[in-house]
Amino acid sequence: DGGITQSPKYLFRKEGQNVTLSCEQNLNHDAMYWYRQDPGQGLRLIYYSQIVNDFQKGDIAEGYSVSREKKESFPLTVTSAQKNPTAFYLCASRVDRSGQPQHFGDGTRLSIL
Amino acid sequence: AQSVTQPDIHITVSEGASLELRCNYSYGATPYLFWYVQSPGQGLQLLLKYFSGDTLVQGIKGFEAEFKRSQSSFNLRKPSVHWSDAAEYFCAVGINNDMRFGAGTRLTVKP
Repeated sequence: DGGITQSPKYLFRKEGQNVTLSCEQNLNHDAMYWYRQDPGQGLRLIYYSQIVNDFQKGDIAEGYSVSREKKESFPLTVTSAQKNPTAFYLCASRVDRSGQPQHFGDGTRLSIL
Repeated sequence: AQSVTQPDIHITVSEGASLELRCNYSYGATPYLFWYVQSPGQGLQLLLKYFSGDTLVQGIKGFEAEFKRSQSSFNLRKPSVHWSDAAEYFCAVGINNDMRFGAGTRLTVKP
């Protein structure tokens, strides 16, 4: 079955450490997205990519970085510059046509040690 | 400013009762409209979507939603709620290639 795989499910970060969250999709979708979810705030867009080797900042990109070297993969790095990284992170993908819905992975919960 | 509003943060209904979750949007044009459901610790699952045409759309799990242009609303309904419907529900709007989510409504189902 096609889908989006996020790993790990749970991740712990020490102060001053960078961590990378994995997102892989086998849906052959061009567009991929990273969201941060905090209680009561819905989903906030961090970065998105509509094509390989290209990506754009979302609303809250500071302290995060991404790469898109392959169509299937869109890893997110949470850098030490992100001072409040504790959150639930969701990856999504979609067919890059107007009106198409996003499909989501099961998320990664990041916590600070 | 463009926005998506879900006025109810938390709703409690009894099992077997009907349900309506509200969603209002503020965009210049009629956007594409979606409802998603999220169980704790999981990703979002698409319930239904509206692009054009019939303003009453049917989705999975017995849900439906009605688009009302005059009210800029896209409310989600279910005639009879099951205990397994307890989750968080998100309304989303799409304009071109952008998608914006409401803050969510948490549904609790009483036995």
